[in-house]
This record gives sequence, C-alpha cells and structure tokens, in this order.
Amino acid sequence: GENVEQHPSTLSVQEGDSAVIKCTYSDSASNYFPWYKQELGKGPQLIIDIRSNVGEKKDQRIAVTLNKTAKHFSLHITETQPEDSAVYFCAASRSNFNKFYFGSGTKLNVKP
Amino acid sequence: NAGVTQTPKFQVLKTGQSMTLQCAQDMNHNSMYWYRQDPGMGLRLIYYSASEGTTDKGEVPNGYNVSRLNKREFSLRLESAAPSQTSVYFCASSDRTRSTDTQYFGPGTRLTVL
Repeated sequence: GENVEQHPSTLSVQEGDSAVIKCTYSDSASNYFPWYKQELGKGPQLIIDIRSNVGEKKDQRIAVTLNKTAKHFSLHITETQPEDSAVYFCAASRSNFNKFYFGSGTKLNVKP
Repeated sequence: NAGVTQTPKFQVLKTGQSMTLQCAQDMNHNSMYWYRQDPGMGLRLIYYSASEGTTDKGEVPNGYNVSRLNKREFSLRLESAAPSQTSVYFCASSDRTRSTDTQYFGPGTRLTVL
C-alpha cells in the first residue's frame, strides 16, 4: 500500500513569516493529494488539493506544489496569522479509489 | 445542512464492553469512511463504504465491524473493546463519482477503554 511521510512534526513561526510543510509518498499510482487543517477538538477540513496533472496550485495565502518524479508535495503558507495555528495533514490517494493515506501531521504554531 | 454528524462525542468503556459509534451525513454522498486518529500517527482508515450496501476493510480493521444502514448512515461497532482501541474516531463522507474527491469529516468521538 501507500506510505506517506510528513515533516516536520512541529513548526513554530513568527506572525507574517512563511511556513512550509513537506510530504513524500511511495505509490507512483497516487494522483490526488489533499491537505487538511485540523483545529483543536474538531475534525479535519480540506484547505487545498492538487492532482498529478498540475505542478502547483494557489489559493490566496496557501499554495501546494507537486513533484511527481521525486514523489513529494509541499504546502506553503505565506503571511502567516495566529489563526493559521492548527495541525495540518497531507494525504495521498488515487482518483476513484476509496483509500486515502494520511501523513502523521504537523503542528503549526504562529506566534503573534 | 449539518454535514457529517457523529454520536456520541465522548465515551468511556471497560475492557470487553461493546458499543456502536453512529455517523450520518446529509450531503447525499455515496462514500463513507471510518478513521481512527492516534497521537503521532495521523488518520488511519478502519473501514469504508463506497456505496450503499457495500463495505470494505481499510488499513486497521481488526476488532471492528461496520454497517452501512442506508445512504445516510454508517455505523462502527466494537464488539469487545480493548485498551488499544482508545483513540479519537472520525467519520467522513465524499462523493467520488464526481470530479471532486473532497472528504468531509465529522467532529469525532473520543473513546477511552479502561
């Protein structure tokens, strides 16, 4: 099966700085890569996703990049704000395939 | 439109007791999932149901059973709870027949097995 590794496990940045979280995957057939944000006491919520036919996707302060050859993808958050503090998870899956494989999570702390 | 709801929010069981976690979605999604979340291990898939009437094992199915009661509801049963099943359980749903693969998660059930 798929194996998704995520780094770092914790990340502390100053408000206004950028944050980068990286994930690698093992199954070359994976072609869908979502990122989730989980706030304390809540379920994960999708914040951005990317498919293997594109290399980058942006949504305001959030961007995701994908390198299919190296089998890694990254989440970039610019101009971080205290409300960005949460646990972030990456995941990998194949389209039309019901198994999602999650990374172990990154706890992001944005210091005001 | 409540999205995905789960009951109960918290539960404490003794080893050997049984219980059923309930999940319901009102988004008319075909697929539903049960995950467990343990510290430092992300979310691991227990079982999923691609459509009403079908269920399949995920990564960690041992010790669990599921029922897809209808399109809206997907329950997870622990027949004989063990301390290793102490975890936070999340239900999710998605409509993978469309171009979107977004999974929507419920708020979770925090289970402690003593």
